[in-house]
Amino acid sequence: NAGVTQTPKFRILKIGQSMTLQCTQDMNHNYMYWYRQDPGMGLKLIYYSVGAGITDKGEVPNGYNVSRSTTEDFPLRLELAAPSQTSVYFCASSYSNGAPYNEQFFGPGTRLTVL
Amino acid sequence: AQSVTQLGSHVSVSEGALVLLRCNYSSSVPPYLFWYVQYPNQGLQLLLKYTSAATLVKGINGFEAEFKKSETSFHLTKPSAHMSDAAEYFCAVSPRSNDYKLSFGAGTTVTVRA
Repeated sequence: NAGVTQTPKFRILKIGQSMTLQCTQDMNHNYMYWYRQDPGMGLKLIYYSVGAGITDKGEVPNGYNVSRSTTEDFPLRLELAAPSQTSVYFCASSYSNGAPYNEQFFGPGTRLTVL
Repeated sequence: AQSVTQLGSHVSVSEGALVLLRCNYSSSVPPYLFWYVQYPNQGLQLLLKYTSAATLVKGINGFEAEFKKSETSFHLTKPSAHMSDAAEYFCAVSPRSNDYKLSFGAGTTVTVRA
């Protein structure tokens, strides 16, 4: 299993440009998540999905959009990039079956700079 | 709302010395608690978790943490540091009712001196 894969690894955007961060998992997990990590701030949840076709906002959703058309893929869309979106983005997935806490597995991250 | 506070953004230890990373949580009811580790240029990896079984939780790589309800703490320890323990460590909390919603602390970077 490849686990959680993210592309690209690095990207530089100009202010106002748009892009999609790709995330794919091959573990048949029903839950998927997008986080951003800023220095000294820990990780903040942007959006999450509990299954194909179902998404919901996390703590910091403004400026982002997501979709979940398949179990495997959970792309994150940035519209009109702003310098405040400079960050490291992590995708994660987990399998929820009603048991107490199921581990979230993280991808390697995408480092995005908006200039 | 749940939150965690990690005391100390940087910790430096000598190889073979005790590693102690502090985490305090804020919650009206005992939550689920976790420690994650992030090695340079990698994603996060679960070290250990507390989900209301034993209060002393053992994790991977020789780490353990103790849940203390009276102190609202979940400190992470390792008796003897190894060079490979150099990484950033995050404490996280989730409510039992929505246990997939993790809230992370700001992180503690550990450096290990030879």
